[in-house]
Amino acid sequence: KAGVTQTPRYLIKTRGQQVTLSCSPISGHRSVSWYQQTPGQGLQFLFEYFSETQRNKGNFPGRFSGRQFSNSRSEMNVSTLELGDSALYLCASRSSYNSPLHFGNGTRLTVT
Amino acid sequence: DAKTTQPPSMDCAEGRAANLPCNHSTISGNEYVYWYRQIHSQGPQYIIHGLKNNETNEMASLIITEDRKSSTLILPHATLRDTAVYYCIVRVGAWETSGSRLTFGEGTQLTVNP
Repeated sequence: KAGVTQTPRYLIKTRGQQVTLSCSPISGHRSVSWYQQTPGQGLQFLFEYFSETQRNKGNFPGRFSGRQFSNSRSEMNVSTLELGDSALYLCASRSSYNSPLHFGNGTRLTVT
Repeated sequence: DAKTTQPPSMDCAEGRAANLPCNHSTISGNEYVYWYRQIHSQGPQYIIHGLKNNETNEMASLIITEDRKSSTLILPHATLRDTAVYYCIVRVGAWETSGSRLTFGEGTQLTVNP
């Protein structure tokens, strides 16, 4: 079974631009969550989607948004990019309420 | 979620067992112990989890003490590819209740030497 797939793998953007990251969960997994990982802050939860509805949200500004499609694929959007948004963005999926999270290899975003 | 304490680093010889400890003295009765690892520039990889019984899968074994205040992850025959940061996480198993919010601590940097 294929794992969580994230595209693109690397991205370079300029301050002020916006970016969209994509995530395809493991087949059959209906929950998708997003994390930001930086050397200074570690792993930080952004939000979670289940059946196209946002269920939980972390402490990030409104510039960070996401959505989930009927096929469980998810996208994350960051508008008005700042230098501090440079990070590894990770997507994770799970199959049911008592199943562990499975992560993709992330998108490395660099904002210049 | 309960706080965990792990040693910052450990070394292991290739082919030997790697035993990674984790203290979670404030664990609650409904909290599971999860282990993940992260190899540089990759996403975290799920390894194993358990509630109170010892668990084993194709990757590792998890030994939880009877009072559940500590646990040990065992990689039976470590290889160079097991070099990674290992995270011990304690949280409720009912993801529907608390969602997919997961907090990683500093973890243990395991270095497997040839």
